[in-house]
Amino acid sequence: DAKTTQPPSMDCAEGRAANLPCNHSTISGNEYVYWYRQIHSQGPQYIIHGLKNNETNEMASLIITEDRKSSTLILPHATLRDTAVYYCIVRVGGAAGNKLTFGGGTRVLVKP
Amino acid sequence: DAGVIQSPRHEVTEMGQEVTLRCKPISGHDYLFWYRQTMMRGLELLIYFNNNVPIDDSGMPEDRFSAKMPNASFSTLKIQPSEPRDSAVYFCASSTDRGENTGELFFGEGSRLTVL
Repeated sequence: DAKTTQPPSMDCAEGRAANLPCNHSTISGNEYVYWYRQIHSQGPQYIIHGLKNNETNEMASLIITEDRKSSTLILPHATLRDTAVYYCIVRVGGAAGNKLTFGGGTRVLVKP
Repeated sequence: DAGVIQSPRHEVTEMGQEVTLRCKPISGHDYLFWYRQTMMRGLELLIYFNNNVPIDDSGMPEDRFSAKMPNASFSTLKIQPSEPRDSAVYFCASSTDRGENTGELFFGEGSRLTVL
Protein backbone atom coordinates (compact mmCIF):
# COMPACT_ATOMS: atom_id res chain seq x y z
CA ASP A 1 0.00 0.00 0.00
CA ALA A 2 1.16 3.52 -0.75
CA LYS A 3 2.36 5.63 2.14
CA THR A 4 0.46 8.73 3.25
CA THR A 5 1.62 11.96 4.89
CA GLN A 6 -0.62 14.03 7.11
CA PRO A 7 -0.01 17.00 9.39
CA PRO A 8 0.20 15.80 13.00
CA SER A 9 -2.37 18.22 14.31
CA MET A 10 -4.70 21.06 13.45
CA ASP A 11 -7.31 23.22 15.14
CA CYS A 12 -10.54 24.46 13.67
CA ALA A 13 -13.42 26.59 14.87
CA GLU A 14 -16.79 25.12 15.65
CA GLY A 15 -19.23 25.70 12.81
CA ARG A 16 -16.51 26.30 10.26
CA ALA A 17 -15.32 23.90 7.59
CA ALA A 18 -12.34 21.73 8.48
CA ASN A 19 -10.03 20.86 5.61
CA LEU A 20 -7.71 17.94 6.30
CA PRO A 21 -4.93 17.38 3.78
CA CYS A 22 -3.25 14.12 2.87
CA ASN A 23 -0.37 13.45 0.52
CA HIS A 24 -0.07 10.07 -1.21
CA SER A 25 2.32 10.74 -4.06
CA THR A 26 3.14 7.03 -4.63
CA ILE A 27 -0.45 5.94 -5.02
CA SER A 28 -1.08 3.27 -7.66
CA GLY A 29 -3.87 3.25 -10.21
CA ASN A 30 -5.91 0.63 -8.39
CA GLU A 31 -5.54 2.10 -4.92
CA TYR A 32 -8.33 3.91 -3.14
CA VAL A 33 -8.08 6.70 -0.61
CA TYR A 34 -9.87 5.89 2.64
CA TRP A 35 -10.52 8.13 5.62
CA TYR A 36 -11.22 6.92 9.12
CA ARG A 37 -11.42 8.77 12.39
CA GLN A 38 -10.94 7.73 15.98
CA ILE A 39 -12.68 9.58 18.74
CA HIS A 40 -10.99 9.25 22.08
CA SER A 41 -11.28 5.77 23.60
CA GLN A 42 -13.36 4.44 20.73
CA GLY A 43 -12.59 2.18 17.80
CA PRO A 44 -11.81 3.76 14.43
CA GLN A 45 -14.82 4.73 12.35
CA TYR A 46 -15.07 4.76 8.58
CA ILE A 47 -15.80 8.16 7.04
CA ILE A 48 -15.50 7.99 3.28
CA HIS A 49 -13.41 6.62 0.44
CA GLY A 50 -12.76 7.39 -3.22
CA LEU A 51 -10.74 6.38 -6.25
CA LYS A 52 -10.65 9.29 -8.69
CA ASN A 53 -13.82 11.30 -8.37
CA ASN A 54 -14.78 13.55 -5.53
CA GLU A 55 -17.13 11.90 -3.07
CA THR A 56 -19.66 13.19 -0.57
CA ASN A 57 -21.71 11.52 2.11
CA GLU A 58 -23.54 12.59 5.21
CA MET A 59 -20.33 12.91 7.17
CA ALA A 60 -17.86 14.55 4.85
CA SER A 61 -16.58 15.32 1.37
CA LEU A 62 -13.46 13.91 -0.22
CA ILE A 63 -11.62 15.91 -2.84
CA ILE A 64 -8.95 14.03 -4.81
CA THR A 65 -6.58 15.92 -7.07
CA GLU A 66 -6.53 15.05 -10.73
CA ASP A 67 -3.12 13.41 -10.47
CA ARG A 68 -4.38 11.55 -7.35
CA LYS A 69 -1.23 12.43 -5.44
CA SER A 70 -3.11 14.23 -2.70
CA SER A 71 -6.56 14.57 -1.26
CA THR A 72 -8.52 16.68 1.21
CA LEU A 73 -11.19 15.57 3.63
CA ILE A 74 -13.71 18.30 4.29
CA LEU A 75 -15.92 18.40 7.35
CA PRO A 76 -18.37 21.07 6.22
CA HIS A 77 -19.54 22.33 9.60
CA ALA A 78 -17.24 21.08 12.33
CA THR A 79 -18.77 20.39 15.73
CA LEU A 80 -17.10 19.70 19.05
CA ARG A 81 -17.90 16.02 18.52
CA ASP A 82 -15.66 15.99 15.46
CA THR A 83 -12.63 16.29 17.71
CA ALA A 84 -10.70 13.11 16.87
CA VAL A 85 -7.67 11.66 15.14
CA TYR A 86 -8.26 11.42 11.40
CA TYR A 87 -6.45 8.77 9.38
CA CYS A 88 -5.86 8.89 5.64
CA ILE A 89 -5.15 5.42 4.25
CA VAL A 90 -4.37 4.22 0.75
CA ARG A 91 -5.15 0.65 -0.15
CA VAL A 92 -6.39 -1.58 -2.90
CA GLY A 93 -10.18 -1.62 -2.94
CA GLY A 94 -12.31 -4.46 -1.67
CA ALA A 95 -13.11 -5.82 1.68
CA ALA A 96 -10.13 -7.08 3.17
CA GLY A 97 -7.58 -9.29 2.18
CA ASN A 98 -6.58 -5.72 1.97
CA LYS A 99 -5.83 -4.93 5.50
CA LEU A 100 -5.76 -1.35 6.69
CA THR A 101 -2.41 0.09 7.70
CA PHE A 102 -2.80 3.11 9.95
CA GLY A 103 -0.25 5.90 10.09
CA GLY A 104 -0.03 8.64 12.66
CA GLY A 105 -3.08 10.57 11.47
CA THR A 106 -4.03 14.19 12.12
CA ARG A 107 -5.23 15.12 15.58
CA VAL A 108 -8.07 17.58 15.02
CA LEU A 109 -9.26 19.80 17.84
CA VAL A 110 -12.51 21.64 17.25
CA LYS A 111 -12.69 24.73 19.44
CA PRO A 112 -15.81 26.61 20.49
CA ASP B 1 -27.20 -4.61 14.29
CA ALA B 2 -25.18 -4.94 17.46
CA GLY B 3 -21.86 -4.19 15.82
CA VAL B 4 -18.59 -5.86 16.71
CA ILE B 5 -18.65 -6.96 20.34
CA GLN B 6 -15.50 -7.30 22.39
CA SER B 7 -14.94 -8.54 25.90
CA PRO B 8 -13.71 -7.74 28.41
CA ARG B 9 -13.68 -3.97 28.01
CA HIS B 10 -11.02 -3.66 30.68
CA GLU B 11 -8.59 -6.21 32.04
CA VAL B 12 -5.95 -5.75 34.69
CA THR B 13 -3.67 -8.68 35.30
CA GLU B 14 -0.26 -9.48 36.68
CA MET B 15 2.78 -10.34 34.67
CA GLY B 16 2.91 -14.02 33.80
CA GLN B 17 -0.83 -14.54 33.78
CA GLU B 18 -2.77 -15.74 30.77
CA VAL B 19 -5.05 -13.22 29.08
CA THR B 20 -7.88 -14.07 26.71
CA LEU B 21 -9.65 -11.40 24.70
CA ARG B 22 -12.84 -12.20 22.87
CA CYS B 23 -14.57 -10.89 19.78
CA LYS B 24 -17.91 -11.45 18.12
CA PRO B 25 -17.92 -10.04 14.57
CA ILE B 26 -20.93 -8.64 12.78
CA SER B 27 -23.14 -11.46 11.54
CA GLY B 28 -22.42 -12.29 7.93
CA HIS B 29 -18.97 -10.75 7.87
CA ASP B 30 -16.30 -13.09 6.60
CA TYR B 31 -13.18 -11.12 7.57
CA LEU B 32 -11.99 -10.56 11.11
CA PHE B 33 -9.03 -8.46 12.21
CA TRP B 34 -7.17 -8.00 15.48
CA TYR B 35 -5.38 -4.67 16.02
CA ARG B 36 -3.34 -3.36 18.93
CA GLN B 37 -2.97 0.32 19.82
CA THR B 38 -0.31 1.90 21.99
CA MET B 39 0.92 5.45 22.34
CA MET B 40 4.34 4.50 21.03
CA ARG B 41 3.38 2.38 18.03
CA GLY B 42 -0.13 3.54 17.14
CA LEU B 43 -2.56 1.09 15.56
CA GLU B 44 -0.93 -2.15 14.46
CA LEU B 45 -2.55 -5.06 12.66
CA LEU B 46 -1.76 -8.28 14.48
CA ILE B 47 -3.62 -10.91 12.46
CA TYR B 48 -6.63 -11.32 10.23
CA PHE B 49 -8.91 -14.18 9.25
CA ASN B 50 -11.00 -14.91 6.19
CA ASN B 51 -13.77 -17.48 6.55
CA ASN B 52 -12.29 -18.48 9.92
CA VAL B 53 -8.86 -19.20 8.42
CA PRO B 54 -5.84 -17.11 9.47
CA ILE B 55 -4.53 -15.31 6.39
CA ASP B 56 -1.78 -13.07 7.70
CA ASP B 57 -0.29 -13.28 11.17
CA SER B 58 2.89 -11.38 10.39
CA GLY B 59 1.96 -8.70 12.90
CA MET B 60 1.76 -11.06 15.85
CA PRO B 61 4.62 -9.92 18.07
CA GLU B 62 5.86 -13.29 19.28
CA ASP B 63 4.93 -16.80 20.26
CA ARG B 64 3.26 -15.60 23.41
CA PHE B 65 0.42 -14.34 21.24
CA SER B 66 -2.06 -16.66 19.57
CA ALA B 67 -5.40 -16.12 17.88
CA LYS B 68 -8.16 -18.50 16.93
CA MET B 69 -11.45 -18.34 15.14
CA PRO B 70 -13.31 -21.59 15.81
CA ASN B 71 -16.44 -20.40 13.99
CA ALA B 72 -17.81 -17.45 12.08
CA SER B 73 -19.17 -15.73 15.16
CA PHE B 74 -16.29 -15.92 17.60
CA SER B 75 -12.58 -15.22 17.84
CA THR B 76 -10.06 -15.10 20.66
CA LEU B 77 -6.71 -13.45 21.11
CA LYS B 78 -4.63 -15.07 23.81
CA ILE B 79 -1.46 -13.86 25.48
CA GLN B 80 0.43 -16.39 27.56
CA PRO B 81 2.40 -15.41 29.56
CA SER B 82 1.53 -11.73 29.62
CA GLU B 83 4.14 -9.02 30.12
CA PRO B 84 3.87 -5.33 31.05
CA ARG B 85 4.79 -4.31 27.48
CA ASP B 86 1.62 -6.02 26.27
CA SER B 87 -0.41 -3.28 27.92
CA ALA B 88 -2.47 -1.70 25.15
CA VAL B 89 -5.94 -1.39 23.71
CA TYR B 90 -6.80 -4.36 21.52
CA PHE B 91 -9.37 -3.81 18.80
CA CYS B 92 -11.29 -6.34 16.81
CA ALA B 93 -12.80 -5.43 13.45
CA SER B 94 -14.86 -7.25 10.85
CA SER B 95 -15.69 -6.76 7.20
CA THR B 96 -17.08 -8.48 4.16
CA ASP B 97 -16.53 -8.49 0.44
CA ARG B 98 -20.03 -9.72 -0.34
CA GLY B 99 -22.86 -7.54 -1.48
CA GLU B 100 -22.34 -3.82 -1.67
CA ASN B 101 -18.72 -3.60 -0.79
CA THR B 102 -17.17 -0.38 0.38
CA GLY B 103 -14.17 -2.06 1.93
CA GLU B 104 -15.24 -0.62 5.26
CA LEU B 105 -13.95 -2.17 8.45
CA PHE B 106 -16.23 -2.09 11.47
CA PHE B 107 -14.36 -1.82 14.74
CA GLY B 108 -15.38 -2.85 18.21
CA GLU B 109 -14.95 -0.63 21.25
CA GLY B 110 -11.70 -2.31 22.21
CA SER B 111 -10.33 -4.18 25.20
CA ARG B 112 -7.98 -2.17 27.39
CA LEU B 113 -5.34 -4.46 28.86
CA THR B 114 -3.06 -3.48 31.72
CA VAL B 115 -0.35 -5.91 32.75
CA LEU B 116 1.26 -5.05 36.08
